Amino acid sequence: QQQVKQSPQSLIVQKGGIPIINCAYENTAFDYFPWYQQFPGKGPALLIAIRPDVSEKKEGRFTISFNKSAKQFSLHIMDSQPGDSATYFCAASKGSNYKLTFGKGTLLTVNP
Amino acid sequence: GAVVSQHPSWVICKSGTSVKIECRSLDFQATTMFWYRQFPKQSLMLMATSNEGSKATYEQGVEKDKFLINHASLTLSTLTVTSAHPEDSSFYICSARDSRPEQYFGPGTRLTVT
Repeated sequence: QQQVKQSPQSLIVQKGGIPIINCAYENTAFDYFPWYQQFPGKGPALLIAIRPDVSEKKEGRFTISFNKSAKQFSLHIMDSQPGDSATYFCAASKGSNYKLTFGKGTLLTVNP
Repeated sequence: GAVVSQHPSWVICKSGTSVKIECRSLDFQATTMFWYRQFPKQSLMLMATSNEGSKATYEQGVEKDKFLINHASLTLSTLTVTSAHPEDSSFYICSARDSRPEQYFGPGTRLTVT
């Protein structure tokens, strides 16, 4: 059972475009939703995270939108650059152990 | 930001031998560390959770006798792959957190078993 469904699997945009990656979850007990960026051969890097009591959070060019009633959250990357080309993972956790359940990832390619 | 290191970054070992991977939190005290396994072009699969001074909690399907985890201090956790076989070849990644929810990942260790 996949608890966090991520789409699309891959995404190609032009430089300056705004790629949007979506995630949906089933478990209403989830209360922490981070996004990670991973380059090939490297560990994931934390980008931004949100709690369900907030509908939007922005850090630099990265924005999370959160819809609690729909059990969905998404990552927007403003003014995307070729250096943003990477795999992006959404995740969710519940309770104090913060054990993460990951989506399957989205391979983003930003063309020059 | 919080920094997590792993050593070695890559290792090749012969089938039947054991290999140890170290995970260190360099600038914070990690009350909890996690070990993941990642296959090419796939997501991260949680193997186990370890709290300092306690036995690790393994996810369903992960052989605790094959993947030995020790979290002896607030800055160090180790994963030992015992009697490694070619199917154990993978990218192993650790992460760490303190009292806050943010989880910081190491750079990963690529294990190849020949």
